Amino acid sequence: AQKITQTQPGMFVQEKEAVTLDCTYDTSDQSYGLFWYKQPSSGEMIFLIYQGSYDEQNATEGRYSLNFQKARKSANLVISASQLGDSAMYFCAMREAGGTSYGKLTFGQGTILTVHP
Amino acid sequence: NAGVTQTPKFRVLKTGQSMTLLCAQDMNHEYMYWYRQDPGMGLRLIHYSVGEGTTAKGEVPDGYNVSRLKKQNFLLGLESAAPSQTSVYFCASSPRGLANEQFFGPGTRLTVL
Repeated sequence: AQKITQTQPGMFVQEKEAVTLDCTYDTSDQSYGLFWYKQPSSGEMIFLIYQGSYDEQNATEGRYSLNFQKARKSANLVISASQLGDSAMYFCAMREAGGTSYGKLTFGQGTILTVHP
Repeated sequence: NAGVTQTPKFRVLKTGQSMTLLCAQDMNHEYMYWYRQDPGMGLRLIHYSVGEGTTAKGEVPDGYNVSRLKKQNFLLGLESAAPSQTSVYFCASSPRGLANEQFFGPGTRLTVL
């Protein structure tokens, strides 16, 4: 079974508007972490934001926020005031705290975001 | 700090050839990982290491071997390359701890003809 599902292969947004990238996950662990990474066309992986399963507040980092709904097992990334430089592939990933996980990240398939001027 | 570096950046192999990809990190991280990235499949874990001298299989380990003789280095070997191993390979490292992000290298683009 897919542990991380990103159902939007591609998304389009107008510059300066907000956009939400969806991510759902599956785990039986009570303790886990959720990450979002950005991969621009240059190929590097850039860490954006982290949410812990026990965090009561939604994580925010500048224009990035994570809409964490634990009961629904979703961790959507919200980008406010989109910029042309936000055009990239975005990956959702999960780290489970289980005994054999050793900090492994499981990634979704990614969503390509295109920002139009 | 150089962070995570990978050598080489690009490589073309013929089927059956062997090669080693080198990953180095200067952040004193315990954990190191090798991923491959293929279109439409995200990043998939090949092998990982939780410390010097230890390695373990990830999601797609077949056809690859790894070694971690020094804490700062993690080597990925292909003994007999196959076209199915054409991919972009990323190395990553992280400290222990659930909330710690993984730091990625720039990637190695490998083509097997």
